[in-house]
Amino acid sequence: AQSVTQLDSQVPVFEEAPVELRCNYSSSVSVYLFWYVQYPNQGLQLLLKYLSGSTLVKGINGFEAEFNKSQTSFHLRKPSVHISDTAEYFCAVSGSGSARQLTFGSGTQLTVLP
Amino acid sequence: NAGVTQTPKFQVLKTGQSMTLQCAQDMNHNSMYWYRQDPGMGLRLIYYSASEGTTDKGEVPNGYNVSRLNKREFSLRLESAAPSQTSVYFCASRRQGELNTGELFFGEGSRLTVL
Repeated sequence: AQSVTQLDSQVPVFEEAPVELRCNYSSSVSVYLFWYVQYPNQGLQLLLKYLSGSTLVKGINGFEAEFNKSQTSFHLRKPSVHISDTAEYFCAVSGSGSARQLTFGSGTQLTVLP
Repeated sequence: NAGVTQTPKFQVLKTGQSMTLQCAQDMNHNSMYWYRQDPGMGLRLIYYSASEGTTDKGEVPNGYNVSRLNKREFSLRLESAAPSQTSVYFCASRRQGELNTGELFFGEGSRLTVL
């Protein structure tokens, strides 16, 4: 079984400041990791994913995440946020095997303040 | 590219009424899913269909039924709606085979209110 913990439910930050959204996972097998973003009143869209290779993954809108196997973490970062980054962010993990079911964290609401 | 299309986008029901949420995908994906999203609880899996002709319960199936009509379409039915089913419902699909990484492709959601 696998699980995902997003440690912060709400993260307020001022515009142009850096931000880190934390995600930890647990799994007994190798995993694929994802960050999804949900803008107000919209569906979820993929921000970035880690499948293999370089542990630093770059996504859309200037976001990046680093896979740390020893700490079982996949934290999302952006060096300078904009008002338009205000959204809910979900971390998700997919295990191995043919099923590859996706398990989501409970989400982090990022609010960028002017 | 339409991707995953859900209808209706908004619906208000009275307790005890029934309704069906429709979902269609045009990406030739085998697997399809229904999730509900509630504040502070993230996404919870209601039902899924790994392939045409099969359906399985997820984490919160009570009060719902599903039908995988064909490879493209996967509907979610509330037979007797309850206020606890007030939520935003998302349909999603996924590739199979070697291209399957677990990544889901989502619709825009259906916001349901049960009075």
